[in-house]
Amino acid sequence: GAGVSQSPSNKVTEKGKDVELRCDPISGHTALYWYRQRLGQGLEFLIYFQGNSAPDKSGLPSDRFSAERTGESVSTLTIQRTQQEDSAVYLCASSRTGTQSYFGPGTRLTVL
Amino acid sequence: AQSVTQPDIHITVSEGASLELRCNYSYGATPYLFWYVQSPGQGLQLLLKYFSGDTLVQGIKGFEAEFKRSQSSFNLRKPSVHWSDAAEYFCAVGTLIQGAQKLVFGQGTRLTINP
Repeated sequence: GAGVSQSPSNKVTEKGKDVELRCDPISGHTALYWYRQRLGQGLEFLIYFQGNSAPDKSGLPSDRFSAERTGESVSTLTIQRTQQEDSAVYLCASSRTGTQSYFGPGTRLTVL
Repeated sequence: AQSVTQPDIHITVSEGASLELRCNYSYGATPYLFWYVQSPGQGLQLLLKYFSGDTLVQGIKGFEAEFKRSQSSFNLRKPSVHWSDAAEYFCAVGTLIQGAQKLVFGQGTRLTINP
């Protein structure tokens, strides 16, 4: 079946603008995760959603970052008032309960 | 808090040579351990995982990894590398919370293959 998809694949924005990044998980996967990968770095956990449980937002770096998920479907990561340090690849992943994560191709965000 | 250390930022090996990528973790309980590979312009692909049981784990593309609790290590090995193995490799430790697998990643090891 189809894998995790993300859109847009690339986003260039100006400092101070808001951006929305979208993730479509694999159908039937109850958990959805957002990670950030800065240039030359490993992945940093941002947030995850699991079923009807409250999301774990412990990795969000500031209150400019927020995310929503509609049921067990699409998720949107929103970054308000973008800063240059927000430039990174934002990766989404999904998983069935208790199993490994499957990653999407990522959205490369560049803040000028 | 859990953490993962990949001591080697960059490794170069010749095609056909053996490979070992190191990974050390810090975690209070029995860890869930993963190796992912990221090729240029590609997403992350799972190579193998350890949840429990046999400490020697076989993965895709001829890779294997051994979980050594006494050394807190989960090193990745391949007996003979191919040029297509050139990529970034990430080790990760997972925490299972309410059915979700929250991952902490190492910084990655970039593998270059000499012809």
